Amino acid sequence: EVQLVESGGGLVQPGGSLKLSCAASGFTFSGSAMHWVRQASGKGLEWVGRIRSKANSYATAYAASVKGRFTISRDDSKNTAYLQMNSLKTEDTAVYYCTRTGTTEFDYWGQGTLVTVSS
Amino acid sequence: DIQMTQSPSSLSASVGDRVTITCQASQDISNYLNWYQQKPGKAPKLLIYDASNLETGVPSRFSGSGSGTDFTFTISSLQPEDIATYYCQQYDNLPRTFGQGTKVEIK
Repeated sequence: EVQLVESGGGLVQPGGSLKLSCAASGFTFSGSAMHWVRQASGKGLEWVGRIRSKANSYATAYAASVKGRFTISRDDSKNTAYLQMNSLKTEDTAVYYCTRTGTTEFDYWGQGTLVTVSS
Repeated sequence: DIQMTQSPSSLSASVGDRVTITCQASQDISNYLNWYQQKPGKAPKLLIYDASNLETGVPSRFSGSGSGTDFTFTISSLQPEDIATYYCQQYDNLPRTFGQGTKVEIK
């Protein structure tokens, strides 16, 4: 059974940093691209970024709203993807989901982790 | 960026009604379109991939059609458990983009 479990969310002050993790199981993690998608309270879904597999040179891509502040990485030995968030702004407050490219894009999602940026 | 325009933003229908949601892309995305269902407090769930293919385990009352720039999502007979927000999403280009969502309620 495919499972994605996010962790690491919490309360952080503006300008601060936070690192989210996405632990994967039930599939060949090393061969899958992993994405992060976020959702502010009462709002729609916003793609944050993705990291491809080793076969695709671990290529990353980001939304313009987070480029230069957020970094996605992965550790295939731990079946885990990460989202390092720096220089956080109040508008980054959201539930952050990880999802994968499997047989198709975004076929499985984690339960999400809440990030609150507030003083 | 490819803009995804979804309509309506909300709708109210009776149990058993046919419900249709449309999604228009700002440029040709072939059939690189997914539809998701999201219930309050839950993660999105994939229903339709490649514009018209039903994800395994999803009831057959859900369907999708279209290609290019115009897409349609249909619930053939609305059930109480279908109350949710539905999103379209393109994966033809980066950045991936979603429609703004359609909230479906029971009349």
